[in-house]
Amino acid sequence: QKEVEQNSGPLSVPEGAIASLNCTYSDRGSQSFFWYRQYSGKSPELIMFIYSNGDKEDGRFTAQLNKASQYVSLLIRDSQPSDSATYLCAVSSGGSNYKLTFGKGTLLTVNP
Amino acid sequence: NAGVTQTPKFRILKIGQSMTLQCAQDMNHNYMYWYRQDPGMGLKLIYYSVGAGITDKGEVPNGYNVSRSTTEDFPLRLELAAPSQTSVYFCASSLGGTVPGDEQFFGPGTRLTVL
Repeated sequence: QKEVEQNSGPLSVPEGAIASLNCTYSDRGSQSFFWYRQYSGKSPELIMFIYSNGDKEDGRFTAQLNKASQYVSLLIRDSQPSDSATYLCAVSSGGSNYKLTFGKGTLLTVNP
Repeated sequence: NAGVTQTPKFRILKIGQSMTLQCAQDMNHNYMYWYRQDPGMGLKLIYYSVGAGITDKGEVPNGYNVSRSTTEDFPLRLELAAPSQTSVYFCASSLGGTVPGDEQFFGPGTRLTVL
């Protein structure tokens, strides 16, 4: 059973702070790593994906991947109340780029 | 583009009833997926399809069936509904292929309750 582990939270940060979300995975063959954001009662939407070791930045978001440690993280700089949501880590599995295993998600609350 | 659409939005079923959850996409995506999400949990893959006429089981296929007769549509059939199938069901689609970072686009979901 391929597993993706996340701290369920809630993670609470003040507005303007950096939020750090972490994810570990068990399948060493995983090739693609995704962060989805899900607002309460809504469907997931993609924030970022990463497939090479190191950092990938997109605006206020930075994804970090360390395949040796089987660890992927998402940093949100200058956190805003609108960032309050559940963040789902998803990892490709079964040797494919499209079959995803999702973590349970981390609930982030940004306090004004 | 409407993206990925799902019907119905909500449904209450009695134990033993059957129903079909509809999913359609207008992005000409090759790959389509069905997930379920239980409260406080991540998404679990039920079935997926890499093209018309091709379907395969995901992590939790028991109690469900799918078909893919066209590129656009991917209905999910529940036979003999059970309380354990109470969940939110999401349909998703992606372009597919071997390129890393194949983004999946999700529909709005169907909230199903089995009583």
